[in-house]
Amino acid sequence: KAGVTQTPRYLIKTRGQQVTLSCSPISGHRSVSWYQQTPGQGLQFLFEYFSETQRNKGNFPGRFSGRQFSNSRSEMNVSTLELGDSALYLCASSLDPPGQDNSPLHFGNGTRLTVT
Amino acid sequence: AQSVSQHNHHVILSEAASLELGCNYSYGGTVNLFWYVQYPGQHLQLLLKYFSGDPLVKGIKGFEAEFIKSKFSFNLRKPSVQWSDTAEYFCAVTSVTGKLIFGQGTTLQVKP
Repeated sequence: KAGVTQTPRYLIKTRGQQVTLSCSPISGHRSVSWYQQTPGQGLQFLFEYFSETQRNKGNFPGRFSGRQFSNSRSEMNVSTLELGDSALYLCASSLDPPGQDNSPLHFGNGTRLTVT
Repeated sequence: AQSVSQHNHHVILSEAASLELGCNYSYGGTVNLFWYVQYPGQHLQLLLKYFSGDPLVKGIKGFEAEFIKSKFSFNLRKPSVQWSDTAEYFCAVTSVTGKLIFGQGTTLQVKP
């Protein structure tokens, strides 16, 4: 079974631009979660989708948005990029919403975003 | 709001030493607890989890963790570490809302 696939792997953008990151979950998984990983901050929760609905949202500004499609693939968008948005963005999928037994998160390798 | 705190940010041990990484969470209700590990160059993977039952849970590669409800803690332990345990370790908590919250992570460096 293929794992969680995130594209692109690396991205360089300039301040003020916008970016879209893509995540293909493991086949059959209906839940997708997004995290921002930075040194010293660990993983900061962005949002979680299940069956095309945003179930949970973290404490990020409105510049960060996401969506999930009917095939469970998900995208996240960051508009008006700032230098502080430079980070590794991780996507994780699970069969059911996170926190349920037998539904651990499976992580992708992430998209490394650098904002200059 | 839920939060997770990992007290040790960077731990350096020699091989065969015992390991204990601290994790405390803040949430008054029922929680599910996890430890994830990220080996160099690899993606995050589940090490162990606690949902209910025996508060001492065993995971892969000889790791175990104990849930102490009165202390809101879920510390990770291993009696004898190996060089291959060098990695970053993340504690995570989820409540009934299903939001999985991670701690800041602890970098473990094991010297051969």
